[in-house]
Amino acid sequence: DADVTQTPRNRITKTGKRIMLECSQTKGHDRMYWYRQDPGLGLRLIYYSFDVKDINKGEISDGYSVSRQAQAKFSLSLESAIPNQTALYFCATSEKTMDSTYYNEQFFGPGTRLTVL
Amino acid sequence: RKEVEQDPGPFNVPEGATVAFNCTYSNSASQSFFWYRQDCRKEPKLLMSVYSSGNEDGRFTAQLNRASQYISLLIRDSKLSDSATYLCVVMGEYGNKLVFGAGTILRVKS
Repeated sequence: DADVTQTPRNRITKTGKRIMLECSQTKGHDRMYWYRQDPGLGLRLIYYSFDVKDINKGEISDGYSVSRQAQAKFSLSLESAIPNQTALYFCATSEKTMDSTYYNEQFFGPGTRLTVL
Repeated sequence: RKEVEQDPGPFNVPEGATVAFNCTYSNSASQSFFWYRQDCRKEPKLLMSVYSSGNEDGRFTAQLNRASQYISLLIRDSKLSDSATYLCVVMGEYGNKLVFGAGTILRVKS
């Protein structure tokens, strides 16, 4: 079984609809992240969470919200989807580091392909 | 200036060739550097971490040049299966997070 899972894998929706993307992990990692990927722009960080009570905005958080329901679950919501939110969305996890000057590798889920019409 | 910059390519090389990618970064204080590989429409996967002294894993060699703020990836004896996008990843200047480059496309042809 995959260590980081995302649901749904593909979703087509209409402008204005509320969408939730879910991420679960069995790696036991404290840190979880949501990214979106657009052609030519690489991965951009939307939100991240270092533990259950911690939520931080990333580079492009406008139009998105998140919920960290448990150590293993981190969901991303689009309250009112718009076409320019069409993208490939990845969830990732990493172990925490004792030294804030270092960063551990991130492990990614398989991605959710979202299309907003 | 982008925090992480890569030549997007594509690099088209024959099997058996040696190919090198460079990546420049803006955060001079970064202590964490990685190369990830991403196949088409799949999730990125760690290829290798990059250490100050440079490191090698089979056909892959990673180097770090702090003075010039770039990291490199060298692939020797390219295989068809090496065809992918290679992402350079560095600790960002702002906030405690990693920043991903847009990637370099490699196509290995027989």
